[in-house]
Amino acid sequence: AQRVTQPEKLLSVFKGAPVELKCNYSYSGSPELFWYVQYSRQRLQLLLRHISRESIKGFTADLNKGETSFHLKKPFAQEEDSAMYYCALSGGFQKLVFGTGTRLLVSP
Amino acid sequence: NAGVTQTPKFQVLKTGQSMTLQCAQDMNHNSMYWYRQDPGMGLRLIYYSASEGTTDKGEVPNGYNVSRLNKREFSLRLESAAPSQTSVYFCASSSQGQGYGYTFGSGTRLTVV
Repeated sequence: AQRVTQPEKLLSVFKGAPVELKCNYSYSGSPELFWYVQYSRQRLQLLLRHISRESIKGFTADLNKGETSFHLKKPFAQEEDSAMYYCALSGGFQKLVFGTGTRLLVSP
Repeated sequence: NAGVTQTPKFQVLKTGQSMTLQCAQDMNHNSMYWYRQDPGMGLRLIYYSASEGTTDKGEVPNGYNVSRLNKREFSLRLESAAPSQTSVYFCASSSQGQGYGYTFGSGTRLTVV
């Protein structure tokens, strides 16, 4: 079975502090993992995907197959990073399984 | 370039009423999906269509039906709405292939009273 776990419902940090949003997955095959972001009252947007090994808006995520994790990190949080973040796993026909999401709140 | 368009944006239904949520994409994507988003539960897949002419159940299909009208359009129908179907509904599309994510619509906020 495919499962994505985001253990934190809410992560509250101050501007300039480092951020790590945790994501663990369960999947028997070779995983494709994504992070999506949803700003207030907006549609979900793809933030990054593991195969691209890219950095978007200062965020990075590394796939750790040994720990089955795909944590999202940013060294210095900005107020505009406040949003809902979803980790997602792809299994078959690009069918995504989402985690329950973590709300990031960055305070000034 | 509109991407994925959903209508309506808001809807209030009475218990037992029916309605259809419309979704259209202009990116020539093969696959389309319907998700519902509920607090504390993330996004759950209702139905999906891997390609034109095919539809399959997702995690929470009960109480819903879908139609893949053509490559562009994928509609979601509630035959007899229930309060438990109060949710935000998102349509998405994707191009099959390694590493491609979804493009989402702006959502439909549905309230069943």
